[in-house]
Amino acid sequence: AQTVTQSQPEMSVQEAETVTLSCTYDTSESNYYLFWYKQPPSRQMILVIRQEAYKQQNATENRFSVNFQKAAKSFSLKISDSQLGDTAMYFCAFMNLNSGNTPLVFGKGTRLSVIA
Amino acid sequence: ETGVTQSPTHLIKTRGQQVTLRCSSQSGHNTVSWYQQALGQGPQFIFQYYREEENGRGNFPPRFSGLQFPNYSSELNVNALELDDSALYLCASSSNTDTQYFGPGTRLTVL
Repeated sequence: AQTVTQSQPEMSVQEAETVTLSCTYDTSESNYYLFWYKQPPSRQMILVIRQEAYKQQNATENRFSVNFQKAAKSFSLKISDSQLGDTAMYFCAFMNLNSGNTPLVFGKGTRLSVIA
Repeated sequence: ETGVTQSPTHLIKTRGQQVTLRCSSQSGHNTVSWYQQALGQGPQFIFQYYREEENGRGNFPPRFSGLQFPNYSSELNVNALELDDSALYLCASSSNTDTQYFGPGTRLTVL
């Protein structure tokens, strides 16, 4: 079974600064996706970024980028130029593509507060 | 393009009752997954439906059941509600094994 660990329950960052959220995972699978989702107080889970395990290049989406270290099973999220709207719970999630179904396995989340 | 929608937004039930939650998938998506998110926790996988068939189930008892319809919308039914069933229920849709997109959730309170 796969597990996802987010070791930082809470973090804070000043507006316009950069912050990195950590995630590690455990799997014996070779074909998978990793995700970061954001859940603001409105509670809707919003996709931030996706990384395919077969890609060596780290995914980027505007101010969001990841550091994917496959051998170390590490998948951190960097948020540059933090904005007040980035305040939310951030969840790291794993999807195994080798099984017949594709449930997401989530970590417990990191609560990020952006301070003005 | 319409996103994933869920109804109702909030629901209050008493222990022992039954509840049905609904989800409309995003246009072009054929797979719906349901998750339970307890307060302060990450979502936990309940089950997944692909083309109207259950396609995987998490560690939830049989009183959690579901349906997927020909238009790929879905229902989650919970019988004999327990206090611990109080949670946010999230529905996500996808095209086959691709990225899952979530609806706004249904907050269920069991008294």
